[in-house]
Amino acid sequence: QIQLVQSGPELKKPGESVKISCKASGYTFTDYAMHWVKQAPGKGLKWMGWINTYTGKPTYADDFKGRFVFSLEASASTANLQISNLKNEDTATYFCARRYILFDYWGQGVMVTVSS
Amino acid sequence: DVQMTQSPSYLAASPGESVSISCKASKSISNNLAWYQEKPGKANKLLIHSGSTLQSGTPSRFSGSGSGTDFTLTIRSLEFEDFAVYYCQQYNEYPLTFGSGTKLEIK
Repeated sequence: QIQLVQSGPELKKPGESVKISCKASGYTFTDYAMHWVKQAPGKGLKWMGWINTYTGKPTYADDFKGRFVFSLEASASTANLQISNLKNEDTATYFCARRYILFDYWGQGVMVTVSS
Repeated sequence: DVQMTQSPSYLAASPGESVSISCKASKSISNNLAWYQEKPGKANKLLIHSGSTLQSGTPSRFSGSGSGTDFTLTIRSLEFEDFAVYYCQQYNEYPLTFGSGTKLEIK
């Protein structure tokens, strides 16, 4: 069955970096783009951007340009999100979701906590 | 950017009742609107796309309506498993945007 399995929770200090992963299974990885969505505590969903899993080209929403990097380990059917120079406001749950036209499968989310 | 205004933010109802959730887009998005369900410990679930088309596996008590700027999600005869948070999302243009969510709780 189709699954997106994300890595575990992270506790980081301001200024550190974090890399979270999203491993896909049950379908051809390169047939669907992988998108990333942020959910701050008690808040709604905010689209961060996406990565073309065939070409590896990332596209970032305006609020996520600079410190955020989408990457692939295509041979492992895995998409990664790296956030550098972490700030308190990066504390959130980060979801991956595959998309052709719709987000039809989501990962379970990764809670990233940034605290000194 | 297309702003999605979802209401109410909170809704309390009893099993067996029917509820409706509104989602308004700041400009026309045709019928490029989806509804998702969020439950603790579970992956978000796509319920409805194209404004009114049920995704495979979505129970028929769920329905969607609307086009252009005004959309509605209706759940008839609520079951215990329906108490969750619901989000609308437009996919007519980038950036993709979501409504702020509606938390449906048991009365």
